Formats: sequence, C-alpha cells, structure tokens
Amino acid sequence: GEDVEQSLFLSVREGDSSVINCTYTDSSSTYLYWYKQEPGAGLQLLTYIFSNMDMKQDQRLTVLLNKKDKHLSLRIADTQTGDSAIYFCAERAGSARQLTFGSGTQLTVLP
Amino acid sequence: DTAVSQTPKYLVTQMGNDKSIKCEQNLGHDTMYWYKQDSKKFLKIMFSYNNKELIINETVPNRFSPKSPDKAHLNLHINSLELGDSAVYFCASSQEVGVNEQFFGPGTRLTVL
Repeated sequence: GEDVEQSLFLSVREGDSSVINCTYTDSSSTYLYWYKQEPGAGLQLLTYIFSNMDMKQDQRLTVLLNKKDKHLSLRIADTQTGDSAIYFCAERAGSARQLTFGSGTQLTVLP
Repeated sequence: DTAVSQTPKYLVTQMGNDKSIKCEQNLGHDTMYWYKQDSKKFLKIMFSYNNKELIINETVPNRFSPKSPDKAHLNLHINSLELGDSAVYFCASSQEVGVNEQFFGPGTRLTVL
C-alpha cells in the first residue's frame, strides 16, 4: 500500500529558507501535493506537482520532485512567522480519488 | 462564502452516545470525503462519496455511517461513541478532473468523555 513519510518538526529563523522533505512509496503517483494547516483550521492546498515534472516554482514556494528516489521537497524562501504551521505532503496514486497524507511537519519560525 | 462548512465545530459527549456531524459544500463538486485526524495530527481517509454514492470505505468500525442526501451534503453519524473516537473530523470536497484539489472544512473536534 501507499506510505508517505515526513519528519515531524522543523525550526528556522525568520528570513531563512525552510526545506520540508517527504518520501513516498507508490511509484504510480500522479499528483503530489503540499497542504498547510494552521492551528484550529482545516487544510489548505499550497501547491502541487504533476509526476512528470521535476520542479515547480510559485512565488516563495519551490517544489522539487525526484521520482527515482520518490522524494518530494517544499522550499519556502524568506520564511515568515506567518508560515508557522503544519505542512502535509500528500500523494494521489494512479486513478485513485483519495489522497494519502504524510504525518505532517510542524514548522516553527523563530524571530 | 464558505466553501466547505461543518457543524458543529466542537462536540463533547459521553461514551455510548450517538452523534452526527454535518458537512455542506457550495462548490458544485461531485465528490466529498470524511477524514479523521488523531492527536498526533495523522490524517486518514474514512469515506468518500461521488454523486451520492459511496466509493471509498476504509477500514472504519461500522458504528460510523456516512449519509449523503444530495451531492452537496455528506453527514457522518457515529453510534455508541468510544473514547478512541476522540479526534478532529474533516470534511472535504473535490472535482474529479485534473488536479483534484481537495477543499477542506474547518474540522469538528469531537471529545468523548
């Protein structure tokens, strides 16, 4: 079955770059997603990447995908205190409707 | 303007009770989902409905019964609540084509005493 793993915690200083990593096991993944969850709120889609892409950039966000190693990363440039949240990696396998989520990475931005 | 709404936001109840959580989406999506997020923030799919039909039913106790009266609503009824049911329950919806971005509701925090 599918398995998505992330490290649980990351702390960075305000203004630095954050890199959140994710590994997955399902080689039939079609889309990979990054969701953000702020305290007491639901998940919000930040960005996604299609499996035939290596990189996607969207303002301060850069997604890198290494299909060979089944590794996905999210880089946040110039991290701000408002970026403090839990970041979930998720994958959609083949034609499946449901997403498989990682355990989430708690990003803490220190002043 | 709320895209996916859930009620109630908080639910505190005793073991053995029966409770329902309601979800509505105004995005015109065909597919709706229920997820459970445990105390360690792990998020797991429970059910999915497409056009009022059940399409995903993960290994969930049969005390949990989803009901979809129309494609804009997906309610979750839980019988004989147990301590382990305490969690945050998220409803989501999506349109099947393309990216299949899932839009999440704000969550319902269920506490079973």
